[in-house]
Amino acid sequence: QKEVEQDPGPLSVPEGAIVSLNCTYSNSAFQYFMWYRQYSRKGPELLMYTYSSGNKEDGRFTAQVDKSSKYISLFIRDSQPSDSATYLCAIFYNQGGKLIFGQGTELSVKP
Amino acid sequence: DGGITQSPKYLFRKEGQNVTLSCEQNLNHDAMYWYRQDPGQGLRLIYYSQIVNDFQKGDIAEGYSVSREKKESFPLTVTSAQKNPTAFYLCASSPPGQGVAYNSPLHFGNGTRLTVT
Repeated sequence: QKEVEQDPGPLSVPEGAIVSLNCTYSNSAFQYFMWYRQYSRKGPELLMYTYSSGNKEDGRFTAQVDKSSKYISLFIRDSQPSDSATYLCAIFYNQGGKLIFGQGTELSVKP
Repeated sequence: DGGITQSPKYLFRKEGQNVTLSCEQNLNHDAMYWYRQDPGQGLRLIYYSQIVNDFQKGDIAEGYSVSREKKESFPLTVTSAQKNPTAFYLCASSPPGQGVAYNSPLHFGNGTRLTVT
């Protein structure tokens, strides 16, 4: 079993839809949770990070962490074609000093 | 503008040849990293360096080598011992003391796509 699991998609939605991207993880010691966005043929860029259970909002993006279920989500409201990218969850394991990435979900938002 | 420059963007090599990928940063970051990205597998850590003249193996270091002679530069050599070298290689950096957590993100370059035939 991988330490971090993410559905690779691809996921295709119409413009304006609410998008839900999800990851599950296996180690309850994982502490910091991040979402990176990667456009085609580019490097990833940090979108959001959080370390506690609950929600964190930033504009149209909401990161949600449920530590009891070992489940993290990224919601995108009013999705735009410019949101079309691969979204990678990443979890930092402080004790091991490791940052573990999910496989990435490819999202396409159609006009 | 500060950032990470990876060159070349595309690289083609014959099997059995060593090849070196360049990574330069002008962010004044101490820590630098090399990741490999394959379809369906996410990013996997090859090597990382926290300071000049020191580096550590990541999860998939076999068949790779690095050097860190200058703070700004962290080249990666893909040797002929690497069994499946064709991949997208990403270099990243981060400031000291914060690493890969907190509010200090990894800064990534735009990658080098290596194809070995």
